[in-house]
Amino acid sequence: AQTVTQSQPEMSVQEAETVTLSCTYDTSESDYYLFWYKQPPSRQMILVIRQEAYKQQNATENRFSVNFQKAAKSFSLKISDSQLGDAAMYFCAYRSPQYSGGGADGLTFGKGTHLIIQP
Amino acid sequence: DTEVTQTPKHLVMGMTNKKSLKCEQHMGHRAMYWYKQKAKKPPELMFVYSYEKLSINESVPSRFSPECPNSSLLNLHLHALQPEDSALYLCASSQDFFDLGLEGNTEAFFGQGTRLTVV
Repeated sequence: AQTVTQSQPEMSVQEAETVTLSCTYDTSESDYYLFWYKQPPSRQMILVIRQEAYKQQNATENRFSVNFQKAAKSFSLKISDSQLGDAAMYFCAYRSPQYSGGGADGLTFGKGTHLIIQP
Repeated sequence: DTEVTQTPKHLVMGMTNKKSLKCEQHMGHRAMYWYKQKAKKPPELMFVYSYEKLSINESVPSRFSPECPNSSLLNLHLHALQPEDSALYLCASSQDFFDLGLEGNTEAFFGQGTRLTVV
């Protein structure tokens, strides 16, 4: 079974600064998908960024970028020019490419990192 | 339309009540999910429906009964719940559950959840 570890329960950053949230995972699969989801106080889980494991190029979405290190099984999220609206819980998630039976093959989530933006 | 709509947003029910949570999406997604999320924890997968058939039941107690009347709707029927069942219940959908190999076919879209309190 896959596991996802987010070692930072809480992070704080000044508005307009850059912050990096860490995520590591454990898997024996060679092909998979990784995601960062954001959950603001509104509760909705919003997809921030997606990375396919077969792609070597790191994904980027505006101020959000990832540092994907497949060999190290690391998938960190960098938020540049932090804004007050970025304050939320951030969950790193793993997904297998195919259902292999016998258990959970939806998203496997890390425990989350609570990001605080200080004005 | 990239929305997953959940109703009600809040629900308070007694332990002898019967209630239902509803989820709707019009993105043509063929996989729909129920997750349970306790405070400051990541979502936990409960059920997966793929092509309107129940594909995964993560050993959820029978007091939770899912139903998928059609490809756009997902219900969760609640009966004789316990106070420890109080949580945020999230619905999600994705294009396809069993085959995630296609580009753009991977992420799950979440609703805003139903905050359930069992008294």
